[in-house]
Amino acid sequence: GDSVTQMEGPVTLSEEAFLTINCTYTATGYPSLFWYVQYPGEGLQLLLKATKADDKGSNKGFEATYRKETTSFHLEKGSVQVSDSAVYFCALSEQGGKLIFGQGTELSVKP
Amino acid sequence: GAGVSQSPRYKVAKRGQDVALRCDPISGHVSLFWYQQALGQGPEFLTYFQNEAQLDKSGLPSDRFFAERPEGSVSTLKIQRTQQEDSAVYLCASQGGSYEQYFGPGTRLTVT
Repeated sequence: GDSVTQMEGPVTLSEEAFLTINCTYTATGYPSLFWYVQYPGEGLQLLLKATKADDKGSNKGFEATYRKETTSFHLEKGSVQVSDSAVYFCALSEQGGKLIFGQGTELSVKP
Repeated sequence: GAGVSQSPRYKVAKRGQDVALRCDPISGHVSLFWYQQALGQGPEFLTYFQNEAQLDKSGLPSDRFFAERPEGSVSTLKIQRTQQEDSAVYLCASQGGSYEQYFGPGTRLTVT
């Protein structure tokens, strides 16, 4: 069945460092791909999405490109801030159905 | 309302008790999903409604779990005879036409 694998955390970075969180997926069809973020004490929020191959999703300085050839959707940000500290989840959905999530990657950004 | 709401936010139940968790989706959203999130893990799908019809309940872990959405709006997830392994955060999400799912804050269930 479909699945999502993320790099394990926690990831600890200094402010203004470059961030990459790896995400790869297995799917039988052509899924939509998502990154969700969970800030401390808050619910899951959609960060960005891409619905087809080579699409780039972006929001709040974060980017991810849907790579069908490598079945990947890595999350990147050029310069992280302390306020980016959160847990990040990669997820896929086939035809707008249920989301299948990775296990989450905790990011901690130090001043 | 402005977003998805869930109640209660926290629930402590003794093993063997029944619990009911409520979800109020975004007004007008046709689709509603329930997920279970264990500590340190990603959410896992439980069940899905389109209006009042439960179209997929393949993720419900046992027949002690039951969900309903009788009028196609508010949904209730019921767990009968709770067990310790049911301790988790239960998330509700509603989905509009863009296929984006919007999550509520969750209900943290602790079974003692």
